[in-house]
Amino acid sequence: DAKTTQPPSMDCAEGRAANLPCNHSTISGNEYVYWYRQIHSQGPQYIIHGLKNNETNEMASLIITEDRKSSTLILPHATLRDTAVYYCIVKSSGTASKLTFGTGTRLQVTL
Amino acid sequence: EPEVTQTPSHQVTQMGQEVILRCVPISNHLYFYWYRQILGQKVEFLVSFYNNEISEKSEIFDDQFSVERPDGSNFTLKIRSTKLEDSAMYFCASSARVSDSPLHFGNGTRLTVT
Repeated sequence: DAKTTQPPSMDCAEGRAANLPCNHSTISGNEYVYWYRQIHSQGPQYIIHGLKNNETNEMASLIITEDRKSSTLILPHATLRDTAVYYCIVKSSGTASKLTFGTGTRLQVTL
Repeated sequence: EPEVTQTPSHQVTQMGQEVILRCVPISNHLYFYWYRQILGQKVEFLVSFYNNEISEKSEIFDDQFSVERPDGSNFTLKIRSTKLEDSAMYFCASSARVSDSPLHFGNGTRLTVT
């Protein structure tokens, strides 16, 4: 699976949009971009995933560049409860293929 | 929303003892996983399981570890003879049949080996 690069930390003011970038320049055609987050020591929580089109759900939006070499997770109105470590993971489409977690981006949402 | 449940939430055991960590995956899911996270470190893959057999395992998953789906609902991780370095959070995850379906994780069992 392709490697990803994320900034180690980011801050965001509550109520503002949080834009978390991820580089995955070696992504291949059958690999999806997944985003998870981990709040404190809880289990990783699935947020969103995509292949090449932009995606939106009730939690977030995922913007994938046309060349697929990078993506941005957008939390449109961050709250204090969004403070977490956010992981961008590239995963092949094989049904039992594992997720490989990196160190992620620690997002701190402040008042 | 259906979720993965893990029991117990915290297990304390003595070095050399056997432990079994239990998970109830989401009911229509067919692929099952165990991960662990040592305090302050990354979430690490241990093993994936499908159709009653291991699909893939990591170097961490040595002969001391085993997995089982003893009935239609539970998925267990057994550590035969625990070591101090097995102390970690253990997360179970499951995913559905479709090729791009996400993994859904439980909230983990904190294993403390003394």
